[in-house]
Amino acid sequence: GAVVSQHPSRVICKSGTSVKIECRSLDFQATTMFWYRQFPKKSLMLMATSNEGSKATYEQGVEKDKFLINHASLTLSTLTVTSAHPEDSSFYICSASRGSYNEQFFGPGTRLTVL
Amino acid sequence: AQTVTQSQPEMSVQEAETVTLSCTYDTSENNYYLFWYKQPPSRQMILVIRQEAYKQQNATENRFSVNFQKAAKSFSLKISDSQLGDTAMYFCAFMKGNTGNQFYFGTGTSLTVIP
Repeated sequence: GAVVSQHPSRVICKSGTSVKIECRSLDFQATTMFWYRQFPKKSLMLMATSNEGSKATYEQGVEKDKFLINHASLTLSTLTVTSAHPEDSSFYICSASRGSYNEQFFGPGTRLTVL
Repeated sequence: AQTVTQSQPEMSVQEAETVTLSCTYDTSENNYYLFWYKQPPSRQMILVIRQEAYKQQNATENRFSVNFQKAAKSFSLKISDSQLGDTAMYFCAFMKGNTGNQFYFGTGTSLTVIP
């Protein structure tokens, strides 16, 4: 149980285009989902926290207009990188937490490359 | 604010030997959880072990155990009988006690198990 999927696992796009990454909790309802960014050999940096049906809370320094987060249901959150640039290339990881269980379950990550 | 410090960027251990990874944290909270996550080359985050701050007994999971020193705010991970599959990045993480709260990650320790 407690499986989180991400789609796509890898995406390459041209500079200036937008890319959507999906995060799904497959066998549980995720009350809260988190989006992280990870650079090579670095730790996970929290970008934003989203609760179903409400606006995401962004960490300081993260552009909310560039990284659009939608948490439309208890099993799906999406991260859209708008007008992507090469510096947005990174590994993006989502996680989900459920109910009263104090733990996060991580997706496998999405590698974004912007040319 | 919560901070998590891992002072060992890289470590190595001979196969079948024991290794300890250190983690310290700073918080004014009394109710919190601590975690060790493993990130192998696949980059999937895998929960290794978790510890509730209110429990005095150190958590153990097979070959993995922690030394939780609440007063010293220390949370080290001991890996016994190291195996080649233990080679990975290890992240220490802190979470406040309420559900749906974010993780605060350490900078990670890259562990290599040598055959």
